[in-house]
Amino acid sequence: DVKVTQSSRYLVKRTGEKVFLECVQDMDHENMFWYRQDPGLGLRLIYFSYDVKMKEKGDIPEGYSVSREKKERFSLILESASTNQTSMYLCASSRVGSNTEAFFGQGTRLTVV
Amino acid sequence: AQSVTQPDIHITVSEGASLELRCNYSYGATPYLFWYVQSPGQGLQLLLKYFSGDTLVQGIKGFEAEFKRSQSSFNLRKPSVHWSDAAEYFCAVRGNQGGKLIFGQGTELSVKP
Repeated sequence: DVKVTQSSRYLVKRTGEKVFLECVQDMDHENMFWYRQDPGLGLRLIYFSYDVKMKEKGDIPEGYSVSREKKERFSLILESASTNQTSMYLCASSRVGSNTEAFFGQGTRLTVV
Repeated sequence: AQSVTQPDIHITVSEGASLELRCNYSYGATPYLFWYVQSPGQGLQLLLKYFSGDTLVQGIKGFEAEFKRSQSSFNLRKPSVHWSDAAEYFCAVRGNQGGKLIFGQGTELSVKP
């Protein structure tokens, strides 16, 4: 069974902290994605990676960075967390190709206080 | 750039009634189109996808969608809704270069008994 695993379901962090959200996939997929989900705004792409050490900015990269040192792992980093980064974060992966399905993790609900 | 619009934020239908969820996309070439469903507290699951051929595509759980190039639309339909269909539905588009998967704002479906 295919799997995308996000390290935490719920996370509470303080303003100014450095936050790491981890995502691991076991399908040997080339592509990995980080999305942010907010009510009424849908899923907005933060960053996309198409290979190890390769990344591309999505629609809302400000305040975030990413790391992909190994094919199966894609990390989202909040350098200095702010309250407006309180949100649901979803990781996904897919094979290369336009018609390929993306598989999603369960999401991490991050609250910044 | 690709974009997706789901005009209806929230729809309520009676159990047994038919359903149509609207999706309009913007993309210069042939798009690759997807519908995903998210049940409360869950990740996203693929319902169906379109990338070529027959413009009416069948998906899981009795859903279908029709691609209309002239209207830049990819509306999701179901002839008879079940209470278990209550969820949030997302339309997504990907370009023919592969890569980024862009989502709409989502439509929340409520089902009345």
